[in-house]
Amino acid sequence: AQKVTQAQTEISVVEKEDVTLDCVYETRDTTYYLFWYKQPPSGELVFLIRRNSFDEQNEISGRYSWNFQKSTSSFNFTITASQVVDSAVYFCALSEAYGGSNYKLTFGKGTLLTVNP
Amino acid sequence: SAVISQKPSRDICQRGTSLTIQCQVDSQVTMMFWYRQQPGQSLTLIATANQGSEATYESGFVIDKFPISRPNLTFSTLTVSNMSPEDSSIYLCSVEGSGQGWDTQYFGPGTRLTVL
Repeated sequence: AQKVTQAQTEISVVEKEDVTLDCVYETRDTTYYLFWYKQPPSGELVFLIRRNSFDEQNEISGRYSWNFQKSTSSFNFTITASQVVDSAVYFCALSEAYGGSNYKLTFGKGTLLTVNP
Repeated sequence: SAVISQKPSRDICQRGTSLTIQCQVDSQVTMMFWYRQQPGQSLTLIATANQGSEATYESGFVIDKFPISRPNLTFSTLTVSNMSPEDSSIYLCSVEGSGQGWDTQYFGPGTRLTVL
C-alpha cells in the first residue's frame, strides 16, 4: 500500500529564512505521481506542483523549489526567503495505480508552517 | 484549472439530522471525488463519483451514511446522514481532468460542518 510521511508536524521560522518541508513516500509501482498542496487558514486546498516518477529534475518556481530523489523516495519542498503569507499547512500526496488502471491520491499528515514577522 | 464551488460553505447541524453538500464545476469533468478532513487531520478519500455509475466508496465509508449523486458532468452532491458530533469535519470535493485518475486534482473551497 502506498504511504506518505511528513515527519515535521510543525515548523516555525522568522520571515526571510529558508525552510525545507520533508516528504518521504512508499510505493510498489514504477509509475506514480507526487504532489504538493497548500492549505492556508481559509481552508481551501491550493495545488502547487505535480511530478511524475520518471522526471527527477528539480523544479523551481519563484521562491519555491522541489527536490525529487527516487533513490531516497523523497520529494522535499523548499521555500526561500519565507514570507508571512507562506504560513499554511502543506500536504505532500502520492497518486499510485491500484486495480491496474485506477489511481488513488494519498495524503501525508501535513506540515504546519508558521512564518513570523 | 477548473473553478469549483461548494454549498454551503459552512453549517452547524443538530445530531440526527442530514446535510447535503453541493459541488459545482465550471467545466465538464469525468471524475469527482469527495474527501473528509477531520479537525487537525489530513484528507481522507470518502468516495469517487463518476457520471453515470454508482459511486465507489473507500474502506470505512458506506453509502447509507454518505450517499452521493452525480447527475451530470459538472455537478455532484454528498449527503452526510444521521449526523453525530464525530462527523464534524471539512468536506471537500475535487475534480480530475484526465478521466483516469492520475492527473492533478483541483479542490473546492470546502464545507465546514459542525454537529452539535
